[in-house]
Amino acid sequence: EAGVAQSPRYKIIEKRQSVAFWCNPISGHATLYWYQQILGQGPKLLIQFQNNGVVDDSQLPKDRFSAERLKGVDSTLKIQPAKLEDSAVYLCASSLDPAAKNIQYFGAGTRLSVL
Amino acid sequence: DQQVKQNSPSLSVQEGRISILNCDYTNSMFDYFLWYKKYPAEGPTFLISISSIKDKNEDGRFTVFLNKSAKHLSLHIVPSQPGDSAVYFCAASAKSNEKLTFGTGTRLTIIP
Repeated sequence: EAGVAQSPRYKIIEKRQSVAFWCNPISGHATLYWYQQILGQGPKLLIQFQNNGVVDDSQLPKDRFSAERLKGVDSTLKIQPAKLEDSAVYLCASSLDPAAKNIQYFGAGTRLSVL
Repeated sequence: DQQVKQNSPSLSVQEGRISILNCDYTNSMFDYFLWYKKYPAEGPTFLISISSIKDKNEDGRFTVFLNKSAKHLSLHIVPSQPGDSAVYFCAASAKSNEKLTFGTGTRLTIIP
């Protein structure tokens, strides 16, 4: 079974530039999550999708971050414009059925450096 | 407001001995707890979980203990092996939704 795929693995941009990350979850997983992990901290949930609908985006900085999952499969997370404090690893995860307390499976992440 | 705390940033244990990683939480609504393991340049991988209706869950060398009155859980690894060297994250979720709240992690180093 293929795992959660993310690209790119690394990205370096200057502040005020835009960047986009892509995630393809495990086949059949209805729920998709984007996390931000700043160095020395645990992952923090940015947004949760159930199929193509948003379940929770309470911690997404909506003035600069956006995410979509148009067909209920893969997803993109965008930052526009980026700030220095956005430097972090962006992790995507998926789960089969969160109501059943199913486990979240994580991708390897995209490491973003904002200079 | 850190609802899940791992107060030990790092821990070193001799190979073959027991590793004990601790986690404290403040939100009494949390009812499901998980441990994730993370190697460098990889995403976290699920290790073991426990529901609040239990106080112990065991899977091979890994055992998680939950003390609800103290709002404390611990992960025991015995015997510890070099491949166990990684960062371990404690995570929790509440009845109302499935959002995971993670701790800051503990870096475990197993000394051969």
